[in-house]
Amino acid sequence: EAQVTQNPRYLITVTGKKLTVTCSQNMNHEYMSWYRQDPGLGLRQIYYSMNVEVTDKGDVPEGYKVSRKEKRNFPLILESPSPNQTSLYFCASKDLGGRFYEQYFGPGTRLTVT
Amino acid sequence: AQSVTQLDSHVSVSEGTPVLLRCNYSSSYSPSLFWYVQHPNKGLQLLLKYTSAATLVKGINGFEAEFKKSETSFHLTKPSAHMSDAAEYFCVSSNDYKLSFGAGTTVTVRA
Repeated sequence: EAQVTQNPRYLITVTGKKLTVTCSQNMNHEYMSWYRQDPGLGLRQIYYSMNVEVTDKGDVPEGYKVSRKEKRNFPLILESPSPNQTSLYFCASKDLGGRFYEQYFGPGTRLTVT
Repeated sequence: AQSVTQLDSHVSVSEGTPVLLRCNYSSSYSPSLFWYVQHPNKGLQLLLKYTSAATLVKGINGFEAEFKKSETSFHLTKPSAHMSDAAEYFCVSSNDYKLSFGAGTTVTVRA
């Protein structure tokens, strides 16, 4: 089954404790992206990657890091989480064939930073 | 630059009545537009997409949307709401690498 998976699905942590949220896709997509969802704001892009070793900032990259060492994986790293990073996070992937290709989303990771 | 504006943050309808969710877009070129649905505690699912092949686009679960260039709109409709349509709906515009999401419209369906 074609899918995007994220782990963990739920995470409660404390301020300053480094964490990584993993994302993996099995569709051989070149493009992957991370979003955060906050009430009333829709989804905002954090980082995206056009291919292995190619990443770029989205609209809200502060406080986040990413890496793309393999085509299928795109982990999101919070080196020193803060309470304002409490949010629902989605990973997505798509084929780079053109702007009419839709993105496929993972199930989401709900992060709480206390 | 591209952006979308969803004109209603909340829509409440009775079961069996029509649903209308409004979306206006802003783009310097012919846009690619999508509607996604998010059910409670679920991920995002694609309802339909506009690819310039036809202005009236049919999607899953009886939804459709009409692209109107003169009004810069891409409104989502369904003739008869079902209880299972209660969810949050996002209008989205896209270029090759960036999606721009509207703030979302929450749909409530009354029995």
